[in-house]
Amino acid sequence: GAVVSQHPSWVICKSGTSVKIECRSLDFQATTMFWYRQFPKQSLMLMATSNEGSKATYEQGVEKDKFLINHASLTLSTLTVTSAHPEDSSFYICSARGMAGELFFGEGSRLTVL
Amino acid sequence: LAKTTQPISMDSYEGQEVNITCSHNNIATNDYITWYQQFPSQGPRFIIQGYKTKVTNEVASLFIPADRKSSTLSLPRVSLSDTAVYYCLVGDMDTGRRALTFGSGTRLQVQP
Repeated sequence: GAVVSQHPSWVICKSGTSVKIECRSLDFQATTMFWYRQFPKQSLMLMATSNEGSKATYEQGVEKDKFLINHASLTLSTLTVTSAHPEDSSFYICSARGMAGELFFGEGSRLTVL
Repeated sequence: LAKTTQPISMDSYEGQEVNITCSHNNIATNDYITWYQQFPSQGPRFIIQGYKTKVTNEVASLFIPADRKSSTLSLPRVSLSDTAVYYCLVGDMDTGRRALTFGSGTRLQVQP
């Protein structure tokens, strides 16, 4: 079946630095990808919808200048957490729709900001 | 997007059948019902999907009544490795441009 891959799976960084997370659809083209964030013991919260060739659509309360999304090709979307702070520490998960509309999720990327 | 309501947690023992019910009273005509399983520090994994009546695959069954306002995920003979959070999602499958919204999920704990 279709696979969505994320990289890195975990990252530790210092406060104030920027971190980029990649999301790739391995065997299908995804014009739309979705980024979620999950805090411990909580459900997934949709952050933004990433559209290939156009600007991402952000959910209410998500800072677009803080979380930069680039969907440069049909198989790659990136999420950059700019000037990360400890409160940005979370589990970030991307997903993409397959050709039949089914939703596939990446393995997730755990960000820890010191 | 249809909102879903599930029990926060459930406990079971190995070998038992587990049924997790999800309410989605305002489900739309074009919406499908999909269940995902999530282990700690992993992305959600697809379990089963259906539109109406009953769907069965190698890991689970999904029961959907005629009014489609609820659905029940049935896990036969659970094992310790089935301890996870289970999410019921409702949404359409057409253009693929719309995300699915996660509810609180059900935390299943399987005891030996």
